Amino acid sequence: GQQVMQIPQYQHVQEGEDFTTYCNSSTTLSNIQWYKQRPGGHPVFLIQLVKSGEVKKQKRLTFQFGEAKKNSSLHITATQTTDVGTYFCAGRGYGQNFVFGPGTRLSVLP
Amino acid sequence: NAGVTQTPKFRVLKTGQSMTLLCAQDMNHEYMYWYRQDPGMGLRLIHYSVGEGTTAKGEVPDGYNVSRLKKQNFLLGLESAAPSQTSVYFCASSDRDSLREQFFGPGTRLTVL
Repeated sequence: GQQVMQIPQYQHVQEGEDFTTYCNSSTTLSNIQWYKQRPGGHPVFLIQLVKSGEVKKQKRLTFQFGEAKKNSSLHITATQTTDVGTYFCAGRGYGQNFVFGPGTRLSVLP
Repeated sequence: NAGVTQTPKFRVLKTGQSMTLLCAQDMNHEYMYWYRQDPGMGLRLIHYSVGEGTTAKGEVPDGYNVSRLKKQNFLLGLESAAPSQTSVYFCASSDRDSLREQFFGPGTRLTVL
């Protein structure tokens, strides 16, 4: 079945540094979503990407969908302590349910 | 609007006991999902429903049953709990449009001894 991987598993950064997490699917995706889960909380939807090569920005967050629609990335510029949490990608194959990656846990040192 | 609510928040069971987790949503969403979250494994889909009266198996359905008798409620049952079912369980709902943004409940932390 479809598999979704994320790297790195953990990332520790100094406040103000940039952060990137990568998501890779074993199959071509129709769309991909990104979620953020704060420690002790529940996943919260960030964004959805649908088109090949699509790039979307939300303030300091930049999301990309690969040309082959099998990978995606989330980049955070100048991290803040409020960015702490686990970032999940969820990929959906054509006619399939979303499959979540294992997540990247981000810690930000002040 | 409360969004998605889950009952209970915490539960400890002994092996072999049964229980039901309740999920309720007030957004009139068609789709509802049950996930389990284990360390390092992300969220895995247990069962889902695309409408009242319908249910379907997800990635890890064994040992669980579900029912969707009312559109706003989705119940997850464990008939005979096992230690391997120790996990955090999240319910989510989404609309049937192309976005399919999933709204998650606060989670239920279940420990099976």
